[in-house]
Amino acid sequence: EIVMTQSPATLSVSPGERATLSCRASQTVSSNLAWYEQKPGQAPRLLIYGASIRATGVPARFSGSGSGTEFTLTISSLQSEDFAVYYCQQYNNWPRTFGPGTKVDIK
Amino acid sequence: EVQLLDSGGDLVQPGGSLRLSCAASGFTFSNYAMSWVRQAPGKGLEWVSTISDSGGSTYYADSVKGRFTISRDNSKNTLYMEMNSLRAEDTAVYYCAKERISMIIVGYFASWGQGTLVTVSS
Repeated sequence: EIVMTQSPATLSVSPGERATLSCRASQTVSSNLAWYEQKPGQAPRLLIYGASIRATGVPARFSGSGSGTEFTLTISSLQSEDFAVYYCQQYNNWPRTFGPGTKVDIK
Repeated sequence: EVQLLDSGGDLVQPGGSLRLSCAASGFTFSNYAMSWVRQAPGKGLEWVSTISDSGGSTYYADSVKGRFTISRDNSKNTLYMEMNSLRAEDTAVYYCAKERISMIIVGYFASWGQGTLVTVSS
C-alpha cells in the first residue's frame, strides 16, 4: 500500500497570503495525484487531478505541481472561503490512499 | 447537474448488517465507475470500494474485504454497499463518489454525495 503523508498538519495563514501545502508518497505515483478541499460538515470537493490540472470551476488561485513522490498545492492568495482541510490522494495503485490532511486556518 | 443522494446509515450493533444506497441523477449512471469513501468522526478520508460502470469489476480495501459488497443497479441509477459483520471501527460517514471520466476507472472522485452516517455500537 502506498502511504501518503502531508505537511504541515496545520497551516495558519492570513487572508491574502500564499499557502503552500506538501504531499509525499511512499513510492512513485507518477502524476496520478488528486487534491480535495473539505469544509466542516460538507463532502470533499475535487480541486486538482493529474497533479496539476484544475477541476471544473476551481479558481485559478489554486495550483498543483509535482510528480513521482513529491507534490505541492499552492493557494496564491487565500480567500475567506479557502479555510478548510485539504487532502491529497494517489490513484496510481490499489488501494487508493489519502493523506491525513492539512488544515488551513486563519492566523 | 450531477446529484448523488446517500442513504441507509443507521445505528447498528457490532456484528450486524446494513445496506447503504446512493441514488444518482444528472448523468448517465451506467457509463461511470462509482466508489464508496468513508470518514470516521474527526478523522481523514478512507477509500472503501470501487465498482466498474458495468458492475463486472469490483475492488475493496483490505479493511472491508470479505465483509462489504459493492453493487449497482444501472436500471435504477443506484449504487449499493452491503455491509456485514460490522465493527466499531466501521463507524463513519460513508460517501458515494463518481469518477470524472466515463467508461474507465481512473481513480479520483469528481462528485460526491452528502454522506450517510453509520454508527456501530452496542
